[in-house]
Amino acid sequence: QVQLVQSGAEVKKPGASVKVSCKASGYTFTTYFMHWVRQAPGQGLEWMGVIDPSVGSTTYAQKLQGRVTMTRETSTSTLYMELSSLRSEDTAVYYCARGTPPDYWGQGTLVTVSS
Amino acid sequence: DIQMTQSPSSLSASVGDRVTITCRASQGIRNDLGWYQQKPGKAPKRLIYAASSLQSGVPSRFSGSGSGTEFTLTISSLQPEDFAAYYCLHHNSYPLTFGGGTKVEI
Repeated sequence: QVQLVQSGAEVKKPGASVKVSCKASGYTFTTYFMHWVRQAPGQGLEWMGVIDPSVGSTTYAQKLQGRVTMTRETSTSTLYMELSSLRSEDTAVYYCARGTPPDYWGQGTLVTVSS
Repeated sequence: DIQMTQSPSSLSASVGDRVTITCRASQGIRNDLGWYQQKPGKAPKRLIYAASSLQSGVPSRFSGSGSGTEFTLTISSLQPEDFAAYYCLHHNSYPLTFGGGTKVEI
C-alpha cells in the first residue's frame, strides 16, 4: 500500500533552516509528482511547490522563491523540503502529497519557529 | 495566478441534511479541480477529482459537479462523520491554489 512517512516535529529559531523528509513506499517513486503543502495553526491549506522525482525539476510558490528547496533521493525513495530564513509565520504543519491533484498525503510534520 | 473563492466559510447543519459547498475560479480551469475533507489533526483526504469523479472508497453521498469556473461539492445526507473542513483545489496551472475552506459544524 502507498505510504508517505514524514520526519518528526522540529523547533527552530528565527533565521534558521529546517529540512523535512518524506519517505515514499508502495508505488514506483518516479511515476508521481510530489507536492508540498503547509497549514498554519487554525488556517487553511497553502501550496508550496512541486517536484518531479524522475528528473528533479521543481516549481515553487512565488512567495517562497529563494527560501524553499525541494529535492529527492531516488535510491531511498525519499523527498526533502528545506525552508530557510525561518520566521514566526512559517510555523505550520508541513505535508508531502503525491500526485496531481494529490491522492495520498504524509502524516504531516509540525515546524515551530520561536525564539 | 488563479484564485479560488470558496463559500460559505462555515455552515451549521444537522444529520440528514443536504449540504452544498461552492468554489469559484477566477478564470476557467476546465475540470481541473479536486475536493478534500480534513478532520482536526489529520491530513486532508481526497473525495473528488476531475471535478466530478468520486475517489475510490468514498461514500456515494458525496458528489461533485461543475466545469470552467463554478464547482460544487454536495453531501446528499450529512452523517456524523462528515463534520469536518472541506477544501477545493485547482490544478489547472501553477501555482495550485486551495479555496479558503468550509467548516461544517453541527
